[in-house]
Amino acid sequence: GDSVTQMEGPVTLSEEAFLTINCTYTATGYPSLFWYVQYPGEGLQLLLKATKADDKGSNKGFEATYRKETTSFHLEKGSVQVSDSAVYFCALSDTNTGFQKLVFGTGTRLLVSP
Amino acid sequence: DGGITQSPKYLFRKEGQNVTLSCEQNLNHDAMYWYRQDPGQGLRLIYYSQIVNDFQKGDIAEGYSVSREKKESFPLTVTSAQKNPTAFYLCASSTFTGTGSLSGNQPQHFGDGTRLSIL
Repeated sequence: GDSVTQMEGPVTLSEEAFLTINCTYTATGYPSLFWYVQYPGEGLQLLLKATKADDKGSNKGFEATYRKETTSFHLEKGSVQVSDSAVYFCALSDTNTGFQKLVFGTGTRLLVSP
Repeated sequence: DGGITQSPKYLFRKEGQNVTLSCEQNLNHDAMYWYRQDPGQGLRLIYYSQIVNDFQKGDIAEGYSVSREKKESFPLTVTSAQKNPTAFYLCASSTFTGTGSLSGNQPQHFGDGTRLSIL
């Protein structure tokens, strides 16, 4: 079945450093891809999405490009802030089952220090 | 403001007891979902519902039950048959655009979760 693989965390950075969180996927068909962020004790918030190959999703300084040739959707940010500390989940939308089933990676914890 | 409300935020279950987690949305979404999150793991789908009075099992439905009597509400019952219920439970909803490739484009919106523990 479909699957998502994320780099293990935690990722520890200093403020204003460059961030990359790797995400690769395995899927049949043409899934949509998502990044969600989870702050401590809260639910997930949609960060950005891309629905077809070469689409770039962006929000709040974060970007990710849907790369079909490498089956990747890496999350990047040019300059992280302490407030970006959270767990980031990569997910794909599997529509082969006839409804929108989200398949999640295991999450990557980001810790940003001042 | 539109959103998804889960209650309670914390819940404790005794041995042999059933407990019900509430999920209400005012986003006018057709589809609703329940996920379970364990430490260091991604989310796993318990049940989902695409329309009122209809719901389907997800990947880990054993020991859980749901109902969908109203569009806005999708309560989850953790039964005594669920032997390891301690987890963070998340409810989500999305618009439903039918089957096929378009149905995957709509993001799911999540509530703030309920943390269930065993006494």
